[in-house]
Amino acid sequence: AQSVTQPDIHITVSEGASLELRCNYSYGATPYLFWYVQSPGQGLQLLLKYFSGDTLVQGIKGFEAEFKRSQSSFNLRKPSVHWSDAAEYFCAVGLNTGNQFYFGTGTSLTVIP
Amino acid sequence: NAGVTQTPKFRILKIGQSMTLQCTQDMNHNYMYWYRQDPGMGLKLIYYSVGAGITDKGEVPNGYNVSRSTTEDFPLRLELAAPSQTSVYFCASRGAVGTDTQYFGPGTRLTVL
Repeated sequence: AQSVTQPDIHITVSEGASLELRCNYSYGATPYLFWYVQSPGQGLQLLLKYFSGDTLVQGIKGFEAEFKRSQSSFNLRKPSVHWSDAAEYFCAVGLNTGNQFYFGTGTSLTVIP
Repeated sequence: NAGVTQTPKFRILKIGQSMTLQCTQDMNHNYMYWYRQDPGMGLKLIYYSVGAGITDKGEVPNGYNVSRSTTEDFPLRLELAAPSQTSVYFCASRGAVGTDTQYFGPGTRLTVL
């Protein structure tokens, strides 16, 4: 069965520091990969997505993610975190053979001044 | 465009009551989805639809029903509410192309007492 793992339940970083959120997936082929952000009481907003091609993808709000096939990973990065980045982050996998999407359990980000 | 809208935003039900969560999208998307989000569990797919008149079960369909009579609307029905259905429910939609992005509604917070 397909699965998405986000090993870090909660991360705290200082404002201005760099950030990396981890995501690993289990799937036989290369899936479609997504990162979403959810602010408290809000729906999910797409940060970036990977379907094919360049393995380093740029997203909104200064985020980027790198697909590493050998590690089955799609880690999210940001060079300098802002206080407004505090939120819940979800990695998701879409199967190119079907219509369903699978989400990780999320990583909660706290930003301290 | 309003995107994906959900009503109500909040609801409290008693055990055994029924209700319908409404979802409407104005993007002419073929695909629509219902997810539930439990604390620490990420999003789980309840039902999805690939077009008007076509629905299919996701990971956690028990206790729910859906219908898709129009492209725009995808209501989720709870017939006999149970405490286990206390959750936040998100509706999402996407276009017909496999690489299209999912767009999420703001969510409905449901409590069953």
